[in-house]
Amino acid sequence: SQTIHQWPATLVQPVGSPLSLECTVEGTSNPNLYWYRQAAGRGLQLLFYSVGIGQISSEVPQNLSASRPQDRQFILSSKKLLLSDSGFYLCAWNQKGEAFFGQGTRLTVV
Amino acid sequence: TQLLEQSPQFLSIQEGENLTVYCNSSSVFSSLQWYRQEPGEGPVLLVTVVTGGEVKKLKRLTFQFGDARKDSSLHITAAQPGDTGLYLCAGDGSGNTGKLIFGQGTTLQVKP
Repeated sequence: SQTIHQWPATLVQPVGSPLSLECTVEGTSNPNLYWYRQAAGRGLQLLFYSVGIGQISSEVPQNLSASRPQDRQFILSSKKLLLSDSGFYLCAWNQKGEAFFGQGTRLTVV
Repeated sequence: TQLLEQSPQFLSIQEGENLTVYCNSSSVFSSLQWYRQEPGEGPVLLVTVVTGGEVKKLKRLTFQFGDARKDSSLHITAAQPGDTGLYLCAGDGSGNTGKLIFGQGTTLQVKP
């Protein structure tokens, strides 16, 4: 069966520091992968999606970037974090239009 | 731009009551999904509806897709404290990219 792993679960970072969140998928090949951000108790905003290695589409202008160095690995990065980057970040993969999410990373920028 | 309007935003009810959450759009979606999310965790898929007018039941939860495939509803019968959580609707209107558009979510609290 397919599983998705996302880490770390929580992260506290100072303003101006770099960021790297990693997501890996097991049990499937060539998945569509997504990074979402969620404000507390609210819906999900799509940040990036990828349909293959090295293929990244950005949905909103922001301080973050994404990369897909391997088929089942999706990374969310920033060179210098801003306070406004705080939030709950979710990685997901999609099968036949249905999304399956990782456990999420709670990022607090201080 | 496709948008999904979800209502109500917050709902606090007593155990045993019934409730309905709505998800509306002016756009047509090829499918709509409902997710449930608990604090600190990722959303978990409850159901997908794909046919206009479709009704699906999952124990005490009933999901309906509008005839025109622009709206959906989630009805919970005899709510229990275990139903507490954030309910999200999402629509797939993007073709083969799998990009989902999410509603703003409904926070449900069921008091014992």
